[in-house]
Amino acid sequence: QVQLVESGGGVVQPGGSLRLSCAASGFTFSSYGMHWVRQAPGKGLEWVAFIRYDGSNKYYADSVKGRFTISRDNSKNTLYLQMNSLRAEDTAVYYCAKDAQYSGSYLDYWGQGTLVTVSS
Amino acid sequence: QSALTQPASVSGSPGQSITISCTGTSSDVGGYNYVSWYQQHPGKAPKLMIYDVSKRPSGVSNRFSGSKSGNTASLTISGLQAEDEADYYCSSYTSSSTFWVFGGGTKLTVL
Repeated sequence: QVQLVESGGGVVQPGGSLRLSCAASGFTFSSYGMHWVRQAPGKGLEWVAFIRYDGSNKYYADSVKGRFTISRDNSKNTLYLQMNSLRAEDTAVYYCAKDAQYSGSYLDYWGQGTLVTVSS
Repeated sequence: QSALTQPASVSGSPGQSITISCTGTSSDVGGYNYVSWYQQHPGKAPKLMIYDVSKRPSGVSNRFSGSKSGNTASLTISGLQAEDEADYYCSSYTSSSTFWVFGGGTKLTVL
């Protein structure tokens, strides 16, 4: 069965950096696009970033463009989100999600999320 | 402000039907059939309920259905049950630079 397990969340000061990981299993990771989606406390879902199956194309929400970088290691079945210049408004639960196709269609499986808190 | 507009809340009694709307533009909802809907219970990860506007994943009750007209997509839940009480989000591919968008979410209360 498909499993997505996020890790790397924690408390970081404003301006700091954090790298999230998402370990995937139960499917051919290298064949599917992957997303990061976040949810601030008490708020709705916000799409963050997408990477194609082979890493050839990456897309970002305007709110994180230039600060966050999505990447993947298909040999390790792992998705990453490098977050730099963190702000208080980046505080959220971050979910990784599998896309049903290689290029972006819908998010068919989600991890349980990892909490990132940006605070001094 | 979310790119897709949903009502903040809807409610219904057990056994009734409700519909949640999701309004976008011709760059997202109206231009593509990549509209999907997600259910989220408190403290849980979202769950896919509808994809490609009106298709149901295996295991999702046929009480859930989706449709689209112009720039507005809709999720209908018939025969409301207590366990349907949750937040619901629509989502779509967008041809804008953003690539993907969610609606602001709708809280469904089963009275």
